[in-house]
Amino acid sequence: GESVGLHLPTLSVQEGDNSIINCAYSNSASDYFIWYKQESGKGPQFIIDIRSNMDKRQGQRVTVLLNKTVKHLSLQIAATQPGDSAVYFCAESQPYQAGTALIFGKGTTLSVSS
Amino acid sequence: NAGVMQNPRHLVRRRGQEARLRCSPMKGHSHVYWYRQLPEEGLKFMVYLQKENIIDESGMPKERFSAEFPKEGPSILRIQQVVRGDSAAYFCASSPPRPVMNTEAFFGQGTRLTVV
Repeated sequence: GESVGLHLPTLSVQEGDNSIINCAYSNSASDYFIWYKQESGKGPQFIIDIRSNMDKRQGQRVTVLLNKTVKHLSLQIAATQPGDSAVYFCAESQPYQAGTALIFGKGTTLSVSS
Repeated sequence: NAGVMQNPRHLVRRRGQEARLRCSPMKGHSHVYWYRQLPEEGLKFMVYLQKENIIDESGMPKERFSAEFPKEGPSILRIQQVVRGDSAAYFCASSPPRPVMNTEAFFGQGTRLTVV
């Protein structure tokens, strides 16, 4: 079946470095994507989203890039901090449909060392 | 988001028992979604409910699992005759009426079910 997947299960970076987490999706009908952060023992926390009519969106210290040609999106975290250590999931959905289920990838565990 | 309350946080059941997981949505939210997360995996959609209605249960196993969201009280995810494979974290998310996009869905802290 079609699903969202991630390239690497783990990523280790030094504090202050920039982090890039990648995600590939296979469902060409999906045109809305979300990045979530999940800390141990907690529920997913929304980070940033992007629609297919955009190729880049910036938030505070985070940037999401979308490449529809190769069905790839990435999350960039600037000046990574120890508090950024968590599992990061990309999720896809179709917008403006109330209650549309999110399809999650398997996640990348980001470890930030001081 | 602390606004979506799930209880219990941890639940241990023996094989064959019933598990009841509760979700109280954020104030003013009338849409509830249940997801299951197996260890080392992403969340898998199970069911979407509005008050007194099941809107989409395409991700729910056909047997032993049921969900409700009554007019009053929390949403309940019920698993009958639990098996070891049901061990997982179950997350609830809620959103307000007529959500425009899924960013309006906030997740609870989850219930971790262990079947022994």
